[in-house]
Amino acid sequence: EPEVTQTPSHQVTQMGQEVILRCVPISNHLYFYWYRQILGQKVEFLVSFYNNEISEKSEIFDDQFSVERPDGSNFTLKIRSTKLEDSAMYFCASRNRQGAINSPLHFGNGTRLTVT
Amino acid sequence: DQQVKQNSPSLSVQEGRISILNCDYTNSMFDYFLWYKKYPAEGPTFLISISSIKDKNEDGRFTVFLNKSAKHLSLHIVPSQPGDSAVYFCAASVSYLGNQFYFGTGTSLTVIP
Repeated sequence: EPEVTQTPSHQVTQMGQEVILRCVPISNHLYFYWYRQILGQKVEFLVSFYNNEISEKSEIFDDQFSVERPDGSNFTLKIRSTKLEDSAMYFCASRNRQGAINSPLHFGNGTRLTVT
Repeated sequence: DQQVKQNSPSLSVQEGRISILNCDYTNSMFDYFLWYKKYPAEGPTFLISISSIKDKNEDGRFTVFLNKSAKHLSLHIVPSQPGDSAVYFCAASVSYLGNQFYFGTGTSLTVIP
């Protein structure tokens, strides 16, 4: 079964550094997402992306965050200047249709980001 | 802004018995509801979903019930197996608005052999 893949599985960085989290969505999916889960808290929506542009973003997704689909397969999340509170599991997800019942999100295994 | 709530952080059930996981929501516009299962060090895995035009959806050992008037959904697992031990998240969205899925905080299910 096709799956969403994320790299790296764990990223440690110092506060103020830039990080790029990488994702390869399922190949025939058109809608891409980033979610995050701070330890012990709920899974939170960050951003959705379709047709090479952001379609929706949450208030968490401030100017420090950006997303890009640099080629036909990768989908990246960049955090420009990391803060301690950015430490979380970051999940990439994709789906094949938007606004449709029976089009669930398919998640990758996540990248654990630790900011020291 | 907790639009989807799972009030039980944990649940323990004997193998072979029924597991019932509960979820409440506040937004009456939600029309698509999903359950995800998550093992440690893995991403959430889609389990089963239901649209608001139904009140029940079944897939093998898993059944989701939706009570729109109470804004409540539940996941029944029968019979429970040790491999079902995981964290279960419910999620909801307004399908025609497209993008956001709102997740609950999860319920950790332990199935005791």
